Amino acid sequence: GNSVTQMEGPVTLSEEAFLTINCTYTATGYPSLFWYVQYPGEGLQLLLKATKADDKGSNKGFEATYRKETTSFHLEKGSVQVSDSAVYFCALSDLYSGAGSYQLTFGKGTKLSVIP
Amino acid sequence: SQTIHQWPATLVQPVGSPLSLECTVEGTSNPNLYWYRQAAGRGLQLLFYSVGIGQISSEVPQNLSASRPQDRQFILSSKKLLLSDSGFYLCARKGFNEQFFGPGTRLTVL
Repeated sequence: GNSVTQMEGPVTLSEEAFLTINCTYTATGYPSLFWYVQYPGEGLQLLLKATKADDKGSNKGFEATYRKETTSFHLEKGSVQVSDSAVYFCALSDLYSGAGSYQLTFGKGTKLSVIP
Repeated sequence: SQTIHQWPATLVQPVGSPLSLECTVEGTSNPNLYWYRQAAGRGLQLLFYSVGIGQISSEVPQNLSASRPQDRQFILSSKKLLLSDSGFYLCARKGFNEQFFGPGTRLTVL
């Protein structure tokens, strides 16, 4: 079956520090990969996505590259801000999962706290 | 634009009471819809999904049920709530290959 493994948090960084949140996956087909962000008390927002190997998703200074050879999709940002404090979820969508419902498989989430 | 509404935003209910959470979607027709639960400090658990009116698939056995009476309406229900039903309930719709989420309902069972 499909699975997503994220680095465990919480992660605490100072403002302007470099961020990396590791994500690796296992999938039976050809997954699309996603990063979602959840701010306190809110739903999940799609942060970025990549649909095939070597694609790079980017948004709001965040980037992640779909690495098929290492089955990874690590999230990076060069300079974090206090407003980036949130929980980040890595996820995959596998067209060939068989359910036909485009279910997402999520990691457990990584809580990021950025301090001034 | 395509928007997901969830109602109510917060709810406090006693154990054994019934539950009805509503999700409505605007700006799209016949979307795949999903109910997730997020327990405190934990990840997301898919509860139900629906590919059309009257079609419900359950992912985990529980005392919750779901219904889709209209194309853009997805309802999560329970006849008798348990303490373990407390959590943050999220409705989502399918995009191209991603999902888009509503604002969620915070349920506390006392």
